[in-house]
Parts: sequence; C-alpha cells; structure tokens
Amino acid sequence: EVQLVESGGGLVQPGGSLKLSCAASGFTFSGSAIHWVRQASGKGLEWVGRVRSKANSYATDYAASVKGRFTISRNDSKNTAYLQMNSLKTEDTAVYYCSAQGPVAGLFDYWGQGTLVTVSS
Amino acid sequence: EIVMTQSPATLSVSPGERATLSCRASQSFSSNLAWYQRKPGQAARLLIYGASTRATGIPARFSGSGSGTEFTLTISSLQSEDFAVYYCQQYNNWPWTFGQGTKVEIK
Repeated sequence: EVQLVESGGGLVQPGGSLKLSCAASGFTFSGSAIHWVRQASGKGLEWVGRVRSKANSYATDYAASVKGRFTISRNDSKNTAYLQMNSLKTEDTAVYYCSAQGPVAGLFDYWGQGTLVTVSS
Repeated sequence: EIVMTQSPATLSVSPGERATLSCRASQSFSSNLAWYQRKPGQAARLLIYGASTRATGIPARFSGSGSGTEFTLTISSLQSEDFAVYYCQQYNNWPWTFGQGTKVEIK
C-alpha cells in the first residue's frame, strides 16, 4: 500500500522558519519526483514546488510565490522528502500536502493527508 | 499561468443520480487534464488523466471528457462513497495549476 505521511506542521510567527517532512512507503521513492502542494482555507490547491529524482540530478523548481524562501530536498535512503520554509508570511498559512509523481510529468499519482502550517503572531 | 475554474462550487445530488462537474481553462490545450477526489481526512486520489483515461482501480462510473478549454467529469450513478471534493488540474503548461474544487454533497 502506498503511503505518504507529512509531519512538522504547527504554529510559527511571521518571519520564522519551519521544516516539513514527507515519509513515503509502498512505491519506488527514489525514482519519483516529489511535489509539495498547499491549500489555504477556502482556497484552491496551489502547487508549491518539486524535487526530481537522482536520475534528474535532484533538480528543484518552485512557484513564484515561494521562490527564494522555500527549499525542497530529499533523502532517498530514508524515503523522505523535506520542505524547508523560511521567512514565513501570514499568507503561507495552509495545509501542506506532499505528492509523488508517476511516469507522467505533472501528474500527481499519490498524495499524503497533509499537515497544517499556521503563520500568525 | 493557466487559471482553472470549476463549477459549480457545490453540487447536491441524490444517491444513484448522475453528477456532472465542469472545469474551464483560461487557455486552450489538448488533453493534459487530470481529476482528483479528496474525502475528509483522507489522501487525495487520482481519478482521471489525459482528460478521459481512468487511473488504475477507478470504477467505470467515473468518466472524463473535453479538450481545449472545457472539460467535464461525469459520475454516472453516485454511490455513497463518491460524496467528496473533486479538483481538476492541468499539466500542460508550467506551472501546474488546479481548480478551486467542486464539493459533491448528498441532496
């Protein structure tokens, strides 16, 4: 059974940092690009960024809204991906989901249940 | 970026009835359109990709259609387990973008 489990969410002050984790099992993690997608309350889903596989040099891409503040990484030996969030803003408040891409670029084959990040003073 | 607009925001349907969900794109593209289902407390699930191809294990009552700027997800006969929120997503242009979602609720 495929599982993606996010952790690390919580309350953080504006300007602060937080690191989310995404632990994966049940599929070939090392061969999959891993994405982070977020959803603010009452809003739609917003793609945040991705880290590609070793075969693609662990390349990363980010949405314009988070570029320069967020960093995505992965540890294939632990089947875990990470989202390091710095200089957090109130508008970053959302549920953050990790998702594993299958063979087709941009298609999210598997999802986690999400972790809530609240940025507030 | 391509803006995806879903309608209606909420759809009230009785079990056994047909549900038709719409997704409109701000720019035209061929078929790189996916539909996802998410239930409260559960992970989202890929239903449809390529606008009309069911993902592995998805029942035949789910069907997708459309191209260009207009796409449709049809659930032919709603079952109790189908009441959920549905999202469309384009993966034709970078960055990938999603619709706001349509909540299918019990009438």
